[in-house]
Amino acid sequence: AQSVTQPDIHITVSEGASLELRCNYSYGATPYLFWYVQSPGQGLQLLLKYFSGDTLVQGIKGFEAEFKRSQSSFNLRKPSVHWSDAAEYFCAVGPMYSGGGADGLTFGKGTHLIIQP
Amino acid sequence: GAVVSQHPSWVICKSGTSVKIECRSLDFQATTMFWYRQFPKQSLMLMATSNEGSKATYEQGVEKDKFLINHASLTLSTLTVTSAHPEDSSFYICSARPGGYDQPQHFGDGTRLSIL
Repeated sequence: AQSVTQPDIHITVSEGASLELRCNYSYGATPYLFWYVQSPGQGLQLLLKYFSGDTLVQGIKGFEAEFKRSQSSFNLRKPSVHWSDAAEYFCAVGPMYSGGGADGLTFGKGTHLIIQP
Repeated sequence: GAVVSQHPSWVICKSGTSVKIECRSLDFQATTMFWYRQFPKQSLMLMATSNEGSKATYEQGVEKDKFLINHASLTLSTLTVTSAHPEDSSFYICSARPGGYDQPQHFGDGTRLSIL
């Protein structure tokens, strides 16, 4: 079965500093990979996605992520964080072949990003 | 673009009642919609996948008779929590996908369900 690991539960970064959030996945085929951001009490907003092609993908809000097949990783980066980036970040892999026909996403447990002034 | 509206955003009700949550794609047609459940400070867990005009596909461990899903049109899916009990209290989030696997899911803002 597919799985997603986000090893950092919390990360604290100073405003203006660079950021890297880690994501490792286990998947039996070429995955579709996603990063979503969630503000408290809100739904999820898509930051970026990887389906194929260039392994460095650009997203919204200045985020980028790099797919590394050899490391089964899809780490999210931003060169300079802003206080408004404080939120919960989820990495996800899909589609999810559960045998019953469902094809949703498998999410990591999330990384809570704290921005220090 | 790609806006998903979920209603209500918060509902509080007594144990034993049924609650309906709506998920609408406002500016695209969603061939597939998904329902997730999120416990406090935890990740999203897929409950079921629904395709317009067909029965929903439920994940293992999700009670079909408790969580009724209807995908009546290409822009609307509903989740009804029947005979809700306090253990059903959670944050329910829907998502909609405009096409096949190569399309991203777009999420609603979620519904916080509190059963007293």
